[in-house]
Amino acid sequence: EDQVTQSPEALRLQEGESSSLNCSYTVSGLRGLFWYRQDPGKGPEFLFTLYSAGEEKEKERLKATLTKKESFLHITAPKPEDSATYLCAGGRDDKIIFGKGTRLHILP
Amino acid sequence: GAGVSQSPSNKVTEKGKDVELRCDPISGHTALYWYRQSLGQGLEFLIYFQGNSAPDKSGLPSDRFSAERTGGSVSTLTIQRTQQEDSAVYLCASSRGGGWTEAFFGQGTRLTVV
Repeated sequence: EDQVTQSPEALRLQEGESSSLNCSYTVSGLRGLFWYRQDPGKGPEFLFTLYSAGEEKEKERLKATLTKKESFLHITAPKPEDSATYLCAGGRDDKIIFGKGTRLHILP
Repeated sequence: GAGVSQSPSNKVTEKGKDVELRCDPISGHTALYWYRQSLGQGLEFLIYFQGNSAPDKSGLPSDRFSAERTGGSVSTLTIQRTQQEDSAVYLCASSRGGGWTEAFFGQGTRLTVV
């Protein structure tokens, strides 16, 4: 069965404390691996697409990486405004399968 | 429009009533998805439309749920005889192609069944 598993479920960091979020996936016929950010009461906001192992994408304090089994979202020197739920998703030809997300809380 | 638009943003309905949720995708996007998100939970896939192909309805939780997409654009998700467990945020997304292209989401419709 296709599955996307994210860890940890929740993470609290001090402002400036770097860390990584993990996404493990088993998706048959994977075409793309996506990362989204979701703020409370809002729809998910697209961040990155990764297509092949070894690929990396960066945006401000965020960097996403991909291996054949996992993806990581590295956050460097986070700020309180980075607090959100981060969702990982695997794209097949017929659907996009989401993990349950990591709730990230950055303390000032 | 510039983004995916969903209406209404909030809907409160009585148990047993039917509801219709609307999604206007980004112009030119051929793929459209519906997801459901219960409080504190992840996104549950409901249905996927791609161009003129038959929709993938494999995620619809019961026959009370149905969706259509008219003219390859606007989509309507209908829930008949609503139950309290249907209370959730219903999210619509569209993309340029299939699952190899990023999907862009609307703000969702929060459905409360009382």
